[in-house]
Amino acid sequence: GQQVQQSPPASLVLQEGENAELQCTYSTTLNSMQWFYQRPGGRLVSLLYSPSWAEQRGGRLTSSAASNESRSSLHISSSQITDSGTYLCAMAGGSNAKLTFGKGTKLSVKS
Amino acid sequence: GALVYQYPRRTICKSGTSMRMECQAVGFQATSVAWYRQSPQKTFELIALSTVNSAIKYEQNFTQEKFPISHPNLSFSSMTVLNAYLEDRGLYLCGARGPSYEQYFGPGTRLTVL
Repeated sequence: GQQVQQSPPASLVLQEGENAELQCTYSTTLNSMQWFYQRPGGRLVSLLYSPSWAEQRGGRLTSSAASNESRSSLHISSSQITDSGTYLCAMAGGSNAKLTFGKGTKLSVKS
Repeated sequence: GALVYQYPRRTICKSGTSMRMECQAVGFQATSVAWYRQSPQKTFELIALSTVNSAIKYEQNFTQEKFPISHPNLSFSSMTVLNAYLEDRGLYLCGARGPSYEQYFGPGTRLTVL
């Protein structure tokens, strides 16, 4: 089945102001990918949505993709303490709406 | 904007009993509704996907007999966890996809089984 590998695995600790790069690799052909932030209570907030491997930008966030490597990245620039939380990538393949999620990276930004 | 509501936000049930959760998409036409579960220490697993004009499709390890879903119109879906046991605990998320294919999620229903 479709597999999504997310890195860094489990957790990442940064000093405030540092940049972060999270990556996801996929085991199958990708139609679109979406990055989420999961709030402490569990709600998923969509950060960036990228159909057809297009780069997306939103404030301090940028997602990029390398289709030949089946990989996408989420860049967080000038990290802030409020960026702390769990980030998940999800991919959709084919014509259906099924999302396959990575296991998530827990980001901790410290002052 | 596009919003997805879920009810209840938290629920506790006794082992062997059942509970129903609801999902409503507001502000957009949902072309599909998917139910996911995030169990402790796990990522999200797709339970079932319901698409307009298609039968509800369940993923391996999930069955209609255990997780019956009702999707009477584009914006509303409900799912019941029948005969819940400890392994059914977790966060149940409803995701609705609009015409742009981006998915929007509700806040989830957190199920605790005693």
